[in-house]
Formats: sequence, structure tokens, C-alpha cells
Amino acid sequence: AQTVTQSQPEMSVQEAETVTLSCTYDTSESDYYLFWYKQPPSRQMILVIRQEAYKQQNATENRFSVNFQKAAKSFSLKISDSQLGDAAMYFCAYRSPGVRDMRFGAGTRLTVKP
Amino acid sequence: NAGVTQTPKFQVLKTGQSMTLQCAQDMNHNSMYWYRQDPGMGLRLIYYSASEGTTDKGEVPNGYNVSRLNKREFSLRLESAAPSQTSVYFCASGDGRGSGELFFGEGSRLTVL
Repeated sequence: AQTVTQSQPEMSVQEAETVTLSCTYDTSESDYYLFWYKQPPSRQMILVIRQEAYKQQNATENRFSVNFQKAAKSFSLKISDSQLGDAAMYFCAYRSPGVRDMRFGAGTRLTVKP
Repeated sequence: NAGVTQTPKFQVLKTGQSMTLQCAQDMNHNSMYWYRQDPGMGLRLIYYSASEGTTDKGEVPNGYNVSRLNKREFSLRLESAAPSQTSVYFCASGDGRGSGELFFGEGSRLTVL
């Protein structure tokens, strides 16, 4: 079964600085999706960024980018120019194509200091 | 555009009581899911439904039942609530193809005393 590991329970960053959240996963599949979801205090799960395993190019969404290392099974999230509104719990997730469920890591709580 | 709607948002139960969490999606997705979120454990799958009329167990199904009422609605029932079922519950929906993304409801916080 696929597993997702986030080794950093908590991280903090100074406003306007850059922070990287780590994620590793275990799978024997070659085709899959990887995601980072943000969960602010409102509890809503918000998709931050998505990566398809067959694409070598790292995904980017404005201030958010990933470092996808398929061979190492690593999928880190970099947040540039951190803002107070980035403070949240961040979950890394894995999903196989098809109707199978999404597997989540335990989450990293990000604090942004003014 | 409501997306995924789940009710109630909050509920307090006594041990042994029963309740049903309701979920509806308006995105015409075939697949629907129920997750629970506990501190330090991320989200874990309780049950899912690949299509109308089918349901399958996930990682933590014990103590729960589900019903896929139609394509839009997927309910989660606790027949005899236990304190271990105190958690935040999320309903989600998605397509089997395409982006792979799941769309989530706002969550339901359940406390069992």
C-alpha cells in the first residue's frame, strides 16, 4: 500500500522569507498524482498544487512550487515570499489514477511570523 | 456553486447514540469518499463509493456504515457512537480520470462523550 510521510510536524518562517516543506512517499506504481493541500483554521481543504508523475517539469503556482524527485520518491513544497495568510496545516497526498482513494501524510503545521 | 456540502457542521453525542452525516455534491462526480481527521494522523479513509450503487471499505471502516443514495449523495452512519469516534469528518468527491483532485466539504466536528 502506498504511504506518505511528512517528517516535519511543525515549521515556522518569517514573513517574506522562503520555506520548504518535505514529503516522501512509497509506491511501486509508475503513474500517479501528488498533491499539496492547505488547511487553514476554517478546516476547509484547499488544493495548493498538483504534480503528475509522468511530467518531469516541476509544477508551479504563483509563490508555490514543488521539487519532484521521482526516483527518490520525494515531493517537497517551496513557499516563496511567505505571507501571514499562508499559516495553516499543509498535507501532502498521493493518488493513483482511477477511483482509488487519496493517501495523506500526517501534516505539517506552518507558522508565519510577522 | 456549492461544490461538496456536508451536514451537520458540529455534533455532540453520548456514547451509544446513533447519527448520520449527510453529504451532497453538485459536480457530477462518480466517486465519493468519507475521511476522518485526527491529530498527527492526517486524513484516513473510512469508506468510498466508486459509483452509484457501490461502496467499499477504506482504512478505518469499523463502527461505520455508508449509503450511496444516488449520484449526488453519500451518507455516513454511526450506529452506536464510541468516544474513539470523536474526530473531524470530511466528505469528498472526484473523478477517476482527469486531474485526480478531490474536492472536500467543510468538515463536521463530532464529539462523543
